[in-house]
Amino acid sequence: GESVGLHLPTLSVQEGDNSIINCAYSNSASDYFIWYKQESGKGPQFIIDIRSNMDKRQGQRVTVLLNKTVKHLSLQIAATQPGDSAVYFCAEASNFGNEKLTFGTGTRLTIIP
Amino acid sequence: DTAVSQTPKYLVTQMGNDKSIKCEQNLGHDTMYWYKQDSKKFLKIMFSYNNKELIINETVPNRFSPKSPDKAHLNLHINSLELGDSAVYFCASSQEVSARSFFGQGTRLTVV
Repeated sequence: GESVGLHLPTLSVQEGDNSIINCAYSNSASDYFIWYKQESGKGPQFIIDIRSNMDKRQGQRVTVLLNKTVKHLSLQIAATQPGDSAVYFCAEASNFGNEKLTFGTGTRLTIIP
Repeated sequence: DTAVSQTPKYLVTQMGNDKSIKCEQNLGHDTMYWYKQDSKKFLKIMFSYNNKELIINETVPNRFSPKSPDKAHLNLHINSLELGDSAVYFCASSQEVSARSFFGQGTRLTVV
């Protein structure tokens, strides 16, 4: 079946540095992607999303890049802060509005003070 | 106000028992979900309801039965609990299926 996977299960970054979290997906029909952040003891929280008709989208300190050719998604977090420490998930769906979200396995990001 | 709230937050119970987890959303969303997150943080959808109708039912044992009395509520009842049911269960809602979902705080279920 289709799957959404992450290259690195853990990532440690010095506070103030930029971080990049990567995600590979295998469903070429995927047309909607979301990044979620999950802090300890809490539910996943929406960060940013992107449709397949775009290759880049920016938010506050976060940027999502989509490369449909190699089915790769990344989340860039600029000027990391201790509060960025969390598990980050990518999720994908096809036929936006009619298909369920499939979540990746997650990357634990630790910000080192 | 909490957008998606689920109760209880923690649930410890013995094997063979029946238990329920409740979920309510005040966002006016049409779609609600139950997800299971295992000890490795893998998050997998179990069920989805749209306007009280079941639209997604993944391969979940029939000991798990969702119930949606109205579109703001989606409860999860589990019969004959097993050790492998231990996990964190998340309720979520969205305006459309697969759209941006809002998650509850989770219910940590421990079966002993």
